[in-house]
Amino acid sequence: GENVEQHPSTLSVQEGDSAVIKCTYSDSASNYFPWYKQELGKGPQLIIDIRSNVGEKKDQRIAVTLNKTAKHFSLHITETQPEDSAVYFCAASITGGSYIPTFGRGTSLIVHP
Amino acid sequence: GAGVSQTPSNKVTEKGKYVELRCDPISGHTALYWYRQSLGQGPEFLIYFQGTGAADDSGLPNDRFFAVRPEGSVSTLKIQRTERGDSAVYLCASSLMRDTEAFFGQGTRLTVV
Repeated sequence: GENVEQHPSTLSVQEGDSAVIKCTYSDSASNYFPWYKQELGKGPQLIIDIRSNVGEKKDQRIAVTLNKTAKHFSLHITETQPEDSAVYFCAASITGGSYIPTFGRGTSLIVHP
Repeated sequence: GAGVSQTPSNKVTEKGKYVELRCDPISGHTALYWYRQSLGQGPEFLIYFQGTGAADDSGLPNDRFFAVRPEGSVSTLKIQRTERGDSAVYLCASSLMRDTEAFFGQGTRLTVV
């Protein structure tokens, strides 16, 4: 089955700095890569996703990149704000199948004001 | 409500007891997923429903775990003879159909004492 590795497990930055979270996956058939943000006491919320037919996608301060050859993808947050503090999860899945995302172990992002 | 609703939000039970966790998906969503999240870990897949049927139950850890979705909407996750190792947050997610964005509920925190 799919295995998703995520690094770092914790990330501490100053407000205004950029943050980068990296993930690798094992199944070359995976073609859909969502990123979730989870705040304390809440369920994960989708913030951005990327499909295998594109290499990069951007939404305001958030961007994701995908390298299919190397089987890794990354989340980039620019101009971080304290409200970005949360746990971020990457995931990988195969669309056209059962579409069951396999999640990484999460990155706890702390943005210091 | 507009989102996925899970009840109860917290459940404390004694070792060996039976528990039921309920998930009300977003109205009209045909796909429903159960995940388990242990402290400091990413969500771990348990079971996926497409309509009333369990399309994939490969994530259920053993036969003490069972889930139903008799009318294709509300789902119940049932755990028999609970063990302390079952303590975790149980997350439910739903999506309009397979291969579309999954929306998570806030989870049920189960504590087995």
